[in-house]
Amino acid sequence: EAGVAQSPRYKIIEKRQSVAFWCNPISGHATLYWYQQILGQGPKLLIQFQNNGVVDDSQLPKDRFSAERLKGVDSTLKIQPAKLEDSAVYLCASSLGTGNYEQYFGPGTRLTVT
Amino acid sequence: DQQVKQNSPSLSVQEGRISILNCDYTNSMFDYFLWYKKYPAEGPTFLISISSIKDKNEDGRFTVFLNKSAKHLSLHIVPSQPGDSAVYFCAASDEGNNDMRFGAGTRLTVKP
Repeated sequence: EAGVAQSPRYKIIEKRQSVAFWCNPISGHATLYWYQQILGQGPKLLIQFQNNGVVDDSQLPKDRFSAERLKGVDSTLKIQPAKLEDSAVYLCASSLGTGNYEQYFGPGTRLTVT
Repeated sequence: DQQVKQNSPSLSVQEGRISILNCDYTNSMFDYFLWYKKYPAEGPTFLISISSIKDKNEDGRFTVFLNKSAKHLSLHIVPSQPGDSAVYFCAASDEGNNDMRFGAGTRLTVKP
């Protein structure tokens, strides 16, 4: 079974530029999550999708971050414009559904904003 | 707000001995707890979980203990192996909310 795929793996941009990350979840997984992991901290949930609908985006900085999951499969997370404090690893995860299901994580995208 | 805390940033044990990783939480609504393991340049991988209706769950060398009254859980690895060296994250969620909160992680080093 293929795991969660993410691209790119690494990205370096200057502040005020824009960037987009892509995620392909495990086939059949209805729920998709985007997390931000700052160095030395645990992952923090940014947004959760159930199929193509948003379940929770309470911790997403909506003035600069946006995410979509068209057709309920792949998802993209965008930052525009980026700030220095956005430097982090962005993790995508998927699970069979909401409730007590373990989440399967992709390898992450390491973003450096200079 | 840090609802899940792992107060030990690192732990070093000898191969064959027991590793005990600890985790505390503050939100009494949490009813599902998980441990994830993370190697460098990889995403976290699920290790073991426990529901709040249990106080112990065992899977091979890994056992998770939950003390609800103390809002504390621990992961025991026996015997520890060098391949267990990784960062371990404790996570908790409220089944109805599904907003999983992670601790900051504990780096385990198992020495041969």
